[in-house]
Amino acid sequence: DQQVKQNSPSLSVQEGRISILNCDYTNSMFDYFLWYKKYPAEGPTFLISISSIKDKNEDGRFTVFLNKSAKHLSLHIVPSQPGDSAVYFCAARDSGAGSYQLTFGKGTKLSVIP
Amino acid sequence: GAGVSQSPSNKVTEKGKDVELRCDPISGHTALYWYRQSLGQGLEFLIYFQGNSAPDKSGLPSDRFSAERTGGSVSTLTIQRTQQEDSAVYLCASSLAKTSGGTGTQYFGPGTRLTVL
Repeated sequence: DQQVKQNSPSLSVQEGRISILNCDYTNSMFDYFLWYKKYPAEGPTFLISISSIKDKNEDGRFTVFLNKSAKHLSLHIVPSQPGDSAVYFCAARDSGAGSYQLTFGKGTKLSVIP
Repeated sequence: GAGVSQSPSNKVTEKGKDVELRCDPISGHTALYWYRQSLGQGLEFLIYFQGNSAPDKSGLPSDRFSAERTGGSVSTLTIQRTQQEDSAVYLCASSLAKTSGGTGTQYFGPGTRLTVL
């Protein structure tokens, strides 16, 4: 049973345009959400996060939106740059649980075309 | 400062052999996690260490998998009698403890790619 779902395995966007990556979750106990970016042969790199008490968090070109009622979050990158081409993982955790273990989606491969 | 380091970066072994994977967390991070990523899959939680507390082993897929963390720093993940389905990238992450008031954001190492022939 996949608790975090990224239904688009890949996405192609023109340089300068907006990239929107989507993520859905099923566990209502999740209260903290993170996006990680991964280049080939490297470990995931933390990008941005959002607590369930917020509906938006912005950091430079990256904005994460959270819709709790829909159990949906999205990552917006604007403007998209070729260096943003990577696999993006959505992750969630239940902060009330014993550990901060993360539950990950399968990832979306973003290709930004120059 | 230095990030999370893992060794070896690549490991090829024969079915039935034991392997040890090493993780060196960020200095000062008391929480340490092991995950694995199989081909085409997301990261799968394996085990969690926090200070001197008993580890959370709920993600270990079988009793062939074990891990230890010596002195609250370096961790070793051991897979005994490896099987072909163990082939994956094994990732280690570390974070500040929950009680430190931080958000507990996990920082990952580059991973060890394990191939079982």
